Amino acid sequence: NAGVMQNPRHLVRRRGQEARLRCSPMKGHSHVYWYRQLPEEGLKFMVYLQKENIIDESGMPKERFSAEFPKEGPSILRIQQVVRGDSAAYFCASSPSPDEQYFGPGTRLTVT
Amino acid sequence: SQELEQSPQSLIVQEGKNLTINCTSSKTLYGLYWYKQKYGEGLIFLMMLQKGGEEKSHEKITAKLDEKKQQSSLHITASQPSHAGIYLCGADLDKLIWGAGTKLIIKP
Repeated sequence: NAGVMQNPRHLVRRRGQEARLRCSPMKGHSHVYWYRQLPEEGLKFMVYLQKENIIDESGMPKERFSAEFPKEGPSILRIQQVVRGDSAAYFCASSPSPDEQYFGPGTRLTVT
Repeated sequence: SQELEQSPQSLIVQEGKNLTINCTSSKTLYGLYWYKQKYGEGLIFLMMLQKGGEEKSHEKITAKLDEKKQQSSLHITASQPSHAGIYLCGADLDKLIWGAGTKLIIKP
């Protein structure tokens, strides 16, 4: 059983471009969580999704950020018009239920 | 301020020595997780503690949750270079929240 997969592992975007980060949960997991880890800080919760539904997006910035977890395919975290402050490592985790979360390797976003 | 305080922020330890990392909350924790992040890699689950006074061990790493369920400590015995990395504690409050991490460096 493959673990949680995230791609790309590294993403470089210029200011104003869009960033799309993908997360493929473990087989059988229908819960996906996105976290952001800023330099020198811990992980910050962003959003919790189940298939086709956003359950909790209280950690998402109000503008430019969106997330989806379609019926088929990976979960996508989309950041529009990226700014330097968006540079961070973005982790997704999946779970078969709202308990222990299994983390992916992360995507390191660098905005130049 | 962080809801979960982790200390120390960084730690340099001679190989073979013991060390302890602490994670403290002002609120009662319903679940406490310890993860390790290797530099440039993802998060590796170490242990989860739920009951007051609970203690779990995995190889040379032992984690405890105090009786009040407000503080946890992670203890590494006879540290090795493979223990180097960033240790994160996470806790179940309304949602999963995280400490800022402890960067552990092992000196040969």
